[in-house]
Amino acid sequence: GDSVTQMEGPVTLSEEAFLTINCTYTATGYPSLFWYVQYPGEGLQLLLKATKADDKGSNKGFEATYRKETTSFHLEKGSVQVSDSAVYFCALHTGRRALTFGSGTRLQVQP
Amino acid sequence: EAGVTQFPSHSVIEKGQTVTLRCDPISGHDNLYWYRRVMGKEIKFLLHFVKESKQDESGMPNNRFLAERTGGTYSTLKVQPAELEDSGVYFCASSQELGRGETQYFGPGTRLLVL
Repeated sequence: GDSVTQMEGPVTLSEEAFLTINCTYTATGYPSLFWYVQYPGEGLQLLLKATKADDKGSNKGFEATYRKETTSFHLEKGSVQVSDSAVYFCALHTGRRALTFGSGTRLQVQP
Repeated sequence: EAGVTQFPSHSVIEKGQTVTLRCDPISGHDNLYWYRRVMGKEIKFLLHFVKESKQDESGMPNNRFLAERTGGTYSTLKVQPAELEDSGVYFCASSQELGRGETQYFGPGTRLLVL
């Protein structure tokens, strides 16, 4: 079956540090890939997505590139801010409509 | 445009009681999904409605869970009787179109605690 593996958190960084959150996947078929973010006290929000190999999704300074050869979709940001503190979820869907999520990575950015 | 809304935001009940969660999708969205996150683990799919019909309910854990979507608008998820392991956050999501680029919009979730 489909699965998503994320690096375990929490990840603690200082403001303006570089962020990478690793995500790898296993899927039957050709998935679309997503990063969702959950800020404290809020629901899940779509951060970015990519629907085919080599596509780069980007939003709010975050980027992730769909790497089919390594089955990865790592999330990166060049300079994190305190306001980026949240839980980040990597997810995919294939022909089956349901999203398959990773376990989430908590990011804590310190001033 | 209003987003996906869920009610209640929190619920604390005792084992054996009944709880009903409600989700109002974005207006015009035919697809409605329920997911849950238990004990800080991954978010898992429960079921998918297309309008008022259940398209996929393969993620429903057992027959204590009953989901309905009256008239293809809002949806309810009833847990009866609730067990301790049902505690978690229940998310609802909706989308307009199916396909590779489908984006599911999530509500804030209902935090359920069964004591």
